[in-house]
Parts: sequence; structure tokens; C-alpha cells
Amino acid sequence: SQQGEEDPQALSIQEGENATMNCSYKTSINNLQWYRQNSGRGLVHLILIRSNEREKHSGRLRVTLDTSKKSSSLLITASRAADTASYFCATDAGGSYIPTFGRGTSLIVHP
Amino acid sequence: GAVVSQHPSRVICKSGTSVKIECRSLDFQATTMFWYRQFPKQSLMLMATSNEGSKATYEQGVEKDKFLINHASLTLSTLTVTSAHPEDSSFYICSAPRSSGTQETQYFGPGTRLLVL
Repeated sequence: SQQGEEDPQALSIQEGENATMNCSYKTSINNLQWYRQNSGRGLVHLILIRSNEREKHSGRLRVTLDTSKKSSSLLITASRAADTASYFCATDAGGSYIPTFGRGTSLIVHP
Repeated sequence: GAVVSQHPSRVICKSGTSVKIECRSLDFQATTMFWYRQFPKQSLMLMATSNEGSKATYEQGVEKDKFLINHASLTLSTLTVTSAHPEDSSFYICSAPRSSGTQETQYFGPGTRLLVL
């Protein structure tokens, strides 16, 4: 199974700044999803982007997908302290829609 | 609101005991559910696929006799960690896929933190 790899592993910014996280994967995918996890909690689904899509928006979130580079980015604009969490990308491929997760990016937004 | 629940949220047990974790889809039916395990600062690793009415499918390296899975109904899957040991201490998360049109989204439970003493 393939696995997305997030970059950077940790990101520390000030409130109001934008946060950009990247995800790379190895083989062709059906979908790529971004999830958020607060410390010790379950995952919250943020955005799903299909392999034939290049960009999606949801509120302050913007996700891009470049299938030629096998990479995706998650941009959080005007970050808030409440955005502090770990962010994971997950990919699924072939006939399986089971997401395979990367290690995640730990984001800290300082008030 | 939450669409997948887990119970308990936290459990501490002695080495050698068995622990049962429940995963419920709250307002939809799930013929398939997934169990993940997450160590601190690590990714989620898929352990097994729980199938309603049939045997679970385990990922390579996961002991099926150690981690018993029962998908008793279309809204409930249970994971039992048998004869738990300290190395089984981890965060266990379940998920259930929910289809909306042509899109399928995985909804995750809040997780169960297991500490084996």
C-alpha cells in the first residue's frame, strides 16, 4: 500500500499567518483527503480532492493536487490558535477506498 | 455532530486482561468498518477491515487471535484486545465509510486510548 508523506513534520506560526503543508505520494490515486486531528482525539475530515481535480476550497482551506508531481498542498489562510492540530493526508488507490495515512504535520499557531 | 462513536474513550487495564472497544455508526449503516492503531506522534496504521456478516480482513503483521473483530450489526463493530500487554498500549481509531452520491467519505470515531499496565 502506498503512503502519503507530509512536509514539514512540524510547523510553528503566529496567528493570522498562512500555513502551508505538503503531501507527496508514490503511485496513482483515486482520491486524496486531508484530515485534522486534535491531540488525543479522532480525525476530522477536511477536504477530499479527486484525482481529476486540481484545486478545492472550503472556508479558509485551500487544497491543490498535482498528479504529475504526485503531491498535494493544504493551505490554511489567516490561521487561528484553534487551528493548532496535526494534519494528515490520506490517499486511496485502485479498487480500495481505504485511506492510507502519512505521518502528519504538527501545526502550532501561537496567539 | 459525530457520526461515528467509540466506547470507551479511555481504558486502563492490567496486563493479561482483555479489553473490548466498540465502534458505532450513529445515523447510517456500515457494512464495512476499519480499525486503525496510532502510536504517539505516528501515523494511523490500518489494522483490519471489519465486515458485517463475515470474517474480518487483517493487515499483514496483525495477529487475528490477538485482535478479535466482530461486526455484529450494520452499525456496530467491536475490537477486542485479548490478553493485553503493555506494548498494546496505543490509540485505537475506527472509521466507517459513508456514501453520498458518487463520493465516499470515511468518518472516524473519536478514538480509544488504551493503557496496559
